[in-house]
Amino acid sequence: GENVEQHPSTLSVQEGDSAVIKCTYSDSASNYFPWYKQELGKRPQLIIDIRSNVGEKKDQRIAVTLNKTAKHFSLHITETQPEDSAVYFCAASLGNTDKLIFGTGTRLQVFP
Amino acid sequence: DTAVSQTPKYLVTQMGNDKSIKCEQNLGHDTMYWYKQDSKKFLKIMFSYNNKELIINETVPNRFSPKSPDKAHLNLHINSLELGDSAVYFCASSQLRRSGNTIYFGEGSWLTVV
Repeated sequence: GENVEQHPSTLSVQEGDSAVIKCTYSDSASNYFPWYKQELGKRPQLIIDIRSNVGEKKDQRIAVTLNKTAKHFSLHITETQPEDSAVYFCAASLGNTDKLIFGTGTRLQVFP
Repeated sequence: DTAVSQTPKYLVTQMGNDKSIKCEQNLGHDTMYWYKQDSKKFLKIMFSYNNKELIINETVPNRFSPKSPDKAHLNLHINSLELGDSAVYFCASSQLRRSGNTIYFGEGSWLTVV
């Protein structure tokens, strides 16, 4: 069935370094790829998304890249700060439906 | 002004009981969802309603019954609770569009079955 794999499961970086989280998906008809950030005890919140007609999107310190041929997409966070520490989830739409398949999450820790 | 609100936030109950979680959204969205997040943080969709009609029903035990009285509300009723039902249940909403919809989550309801 539809599957989204996410790596790594945990990631520790020093403040100021960059962090990269990668996801691969199986449904070639997927056309929407959001990223959610979930702080401890809080709800997942959208931080950036990309649609299949775009290869890259940037918003200040975060960027997402999409390679539709290889069916993978990545989240890049530059100049990390301690408040970036959270669990990050990638997701891919099931075809062009509203159903999202979530990755297994990456726990990012940024040490001061 | 909370966009997607769900109650209760915390619920501790005994096995075998029946409980409900309520959800309301004031975003004017036409689609609402219930997601389950287990202890390993995996997020899985359970149900999706569009304009009060069920459109996604994942493989969820029939002890779970969603009810949507109108497109701003989607409640979740759980019968005969089991230990394995302990999880965080997130309500969410979105506006259906062809090129992917942004899903907005509620604060979550922490269910503990003892």
